[in-house]
Amino acid sequence: GAGVSQSPSNKVTEKGKDVELRCDPISGHTALYWYRQSLGQGLEFLIYFQGNSAPDKSGLPSDRFSAERTGGSVSTLTIQRTQQEDSAVYLCASTLLAGGTDTQYFGPGTRLTVL
Amino acid sequence: QKEVEQNSGPLSVPEGAIASLNCTYSDRGSQSFFWYRQYSGKSPELIMSIYSNGDKEDGRFTAQLNKASQYVSLLIRDSQPSDSATYLCAVNTNAGKSTFGDGTTLTVKP
Repeated sequence: GAGVSQSPSNKVTEKGKDVELRCDPISGHTALYWYRQSLGQGLEFLIYFQGNSAPDKSGLPSDRFSAERTGGSVSTLTIQRTQQEDSAVYLCASTLLAGGTDTQYFGPGTRLTVL
Repeated sequence: QKEVEQNSGPLSVPEGAIASLNCTYSDRGSQSFFWYRQYSGKSPELIMSIYSNGDKEDGRFTAQLNKASQYVSLLIRDSQPSDSATYLCAVNTNAGKSTFGDGTTLTVKP
């Protein structure tokens, strides 16, 4: 079956512009995570959507970052007024079950470069 | 102190040897523990999950968990060059939040 997909695969933008990154999770998966990975670093948790519960936004680094999950499926991560330090690979993952006990299936990521 | 700490590496072992990867975590409320493998330029993929104290074996891989010591490890037996990758330790609370370590880069030399 289809895995997690993300678009675009690459995004180059100028400092100060807004960007939207999209994640399509595996159909039927309950939970969805967004992470950021800088070169040579681990995954930095950004936000977690779990079914109909309020999302855990504790990892968002500033109020320039926001995310939505519409209809319990597709998610969009929006970064406003991008800065050079926002350059990273943004990874999305989904799990069948909520509650943190299940395997995360990762998308291929979006590589964001802010000039 | 980071919430999840791993040996920074790099770790280099000869082919056929045992590779030992270690991870400690700070949140005693953590319930679920995972090891993911990430090849260069690729996304992470699950190697092992472990939820209770003790050992869990799957083929050449063994995960060990000690909640009292807040320690989880991954042993890779008969290491192969194809095992060369970065190994990420992930620790989840029962609320679902997932925290990853920075990873240990393993190189298996033929």
